[in-house]
Amino acid sequence: KQEVTQIPAALSVPEGENLVLNCSFTDSAIYNLQWFRQDPGKGLTSLLLIQSSQREQTSGRLNASLDKSSGRSTLYIAASQPGDSATYLCAVDLDDMRFGAGTRLTVKP
Amino acid sequence: GAVVSQHPSWVICKSGTSVKIECRSLDFQATTMFWYRQFPKQSLMLMATSNEGSKATYEQGVEKDKFLINHASLTLSTLTVTSAHPEDSSFYICSAGRGVTNEKLFFGSGTQLSVL
Repeated sequence: KQEVTQIPAALSVPEGENLVLNCSFTDSAIYNLQWFRQDPGKGLTSLLLIQSSQREQTSGRLNASLDKSSGRSTLYIAASQPGDSATYLCAVDLDDMRFGAGTRLTVKP
Repeated sequence: GAVVSQHPSWVICKSGTSVKIECRSLDFQATTMFWYRQFPKQSLMLMATSNEGSKATYEQGVEKDKFLINHASLTLSTLTVTSAHPEDSSFYICSAGRGVTNEKLFFGSGTQLSVL
């Protein structure tokens, strides 16, 4: 059974810092991995999608990497801003989607 | 931990028929549930936000008459794909929010819909 773990569960940083969120999964036979953002009271917003054949994806200040063999993905956020404060979830897609519990990020002005 | 049950996990139907997908929060009350759709090799996309006792809020581009959402109780939301066509074939997943601001989301296991 696929299990997805995200570390840390919560993170608080001052504005401007670069930061890394971690996601690990137990079954490496995935189709893809996605990173999402959840704002309070809202649904998920897709940030980055990495296909199983890819190693990384970039969008603006976000960079996500995927190492299937080790069952790990990282989301790198450069020059963090208060508007980045949200919960970030990773999800792996195999026969169904499995989500991590999320990392709650707070960026202080 | 909290569990969200989604049923059915897969369904095959003929074009023109309607299909209902259920999303249940088994051990908590969910004021808000979210419905998503994912096409192959694409990102999961939010379709609508379902609030108990009120009309669902649909995302831009999602036809509300096509995708009927009913959140009749605090533990059940249903998505009905009406007059399904092959282009509606997709993976549908629900999530239920827990907490005052839905700060904790729990996900169903998804429904793979294939319309012939």
